[in-house]
Amino acid sequence: SQTIHQWPATLVQPVGSPLSLECTVEGTSNPNLYWYRQAAGRGLQLLFYSVGIGQISSEVPQNLSASRPQDRQFILSSKKLLLSDSGFYLCAWSAVAGGNQPQHFGDGTRLSIL
Amino acid sequence: GENVEQHPSTLSVQEGDSAVIKCTYSDSASNYFPWYKQELGKGPQLIIDIRSNVGEKKDQRIAVTLNKTAKHFSLHITETQPEDSAVYFCAASFGNQFYFGTGTSLTVIP
Repeated sequence: SQTIHQWPATLVQPVGSPLSLECTVEGTSNPNLYWYRQAAGRGLQLLFYSVGIGQISSEVPQNLSASRPQDRQFILSSKKLLLSDSGFYLCAWSAVAGGNQPQHFGDGTRLSIL
Repeated sequence: GENVEQHPSTLSVQEGDSAVIKCTYSDSASNYFPWYKQELGKGPQLIIDIRSNVGEKKDQRIAVTLNKTAKHFSLHITETQPEDSAVYFCAASFGNQFYFGTGTSLTVIP
């Protein structure tokens, strides 16, 4: 069966520090991968998605970036964090299979910027 | 682009009663509609989905209906239990793109 892992589960970082969140998927090949941010009590904001290694689409311009160095690895990064980067970050995957496939989410990373 | 609206934002029901959450979408190209349940501190989990060639789908106490003409779909939970308390999200999808509603916080009162 397929599983998705995100780490760390929680992270407290000072303003201006760098960020690296990692997501890996097991049990499937060539998945679509997604990064979302969820503000407290609000919906899901798509940040990045990837349909293959090295292929990244950005939905919202900001100081975050994403990379996909391996087929089942998706990394969310920042060189300098802002207070507004606080939130709950979720990684998700879906099978390519011609569309109409559900997204499956990890358990997220709670990021607090001080 | 697609716009998904979800109502209500909060919903309280007595245990054993039914709960209904409604979503509308704007893009007639959307053809896949999943529903997710998110418990506190966890990621959303898929609970049921429906494709545009189907009008209704049921899985035990959960059902989803889709009206393509009116561009709306609904989640129905019958015989609610305290463990149904969570935030529920609808989504509309076409291809690789997913558009989520803003969520409904459901509280089931014992």
